[in-house]
Amino acid sequence: DAGITQSPRYKITETGRQVTLMCHQTWSHSYMFWYRQDLGHGLRLIYYSAAADITDKGEVPDGYVVSRSKTENFPLTLESATRSQTSVYFCASSPGQGVYEQYFGPGTRLTVT
Amino acid sequence: AQTVTQSQPEMSVQEAETVTLSCTYDTSESDYYLFWYKQPPSRQMILVIRQEAYKQQNATENRFSVNFQKAAKSFSLKISDSQLGDAAMYFCAYHAGGTSYGKLTFGQGTILTVHP
Repeated sequence: DAGITQSPRYKITETGRQVTLMCHQTWSHSYMFWYRQDLGHGLRLIYYSAAADITDKGEVPDGYVVSRSKTENFPLTLESATRSQTSVYFCASSPGQGVYEQYFGPGTRLTVT
Repeated sequence: AQTVTQSQPEMSVQEAETVTLSCTYDTSESDYYLFWYKQPPSRQMILVIRQEAYKQQNATENRFSVNFQKAAKSFSLKISDSQLGDAAMYFCAYHAGGTSYGKLTFGQGTILTVHP
């Protein structure tokens, strides 16, 4: 029972490059989320998805793109990485239907040089 | 907009003792859910406990319990018989009920140190 996984776990990239962070869940949860965690800011929501092909912006969406063609996958793309996007990124999922808690993946530490 | 405040950046406790972590929130909603998450050094976010606002009874999960004061908008976490494995960052989180589905608002976190 893998639950929710993220890949890669660590990534170093250069400014201006495109980077995609992967998220996969095996629970068939309807909802999926992307957060970033930075010192002094806690966790902030980037994007979320209520179902396949349904996505919406969170608190800090600028510079990020998401897609959700399949229920189990929710990739996050940084189209042109900037140093300010250096952070730890968490994917989470939630079943919906009156269940509000979210279950988190292990995180991806991204460094933009 | 909802806000969640954890006023204690750091707390410490002796092993086997009890510690309480504070959380306050601001909302105009009557239907909402509150959570405590634990983030150990491994970075994994782990759900510790949940509380539904419509329930008057405080939630309990083994050594973890909450003191939910709805009128005061306070939601503290009590850890009894603290263990070394409890050392982590703890986050309080709020989720409105109804149609605001999906938007968890987190506090800034409290780092808990457990001394042997």
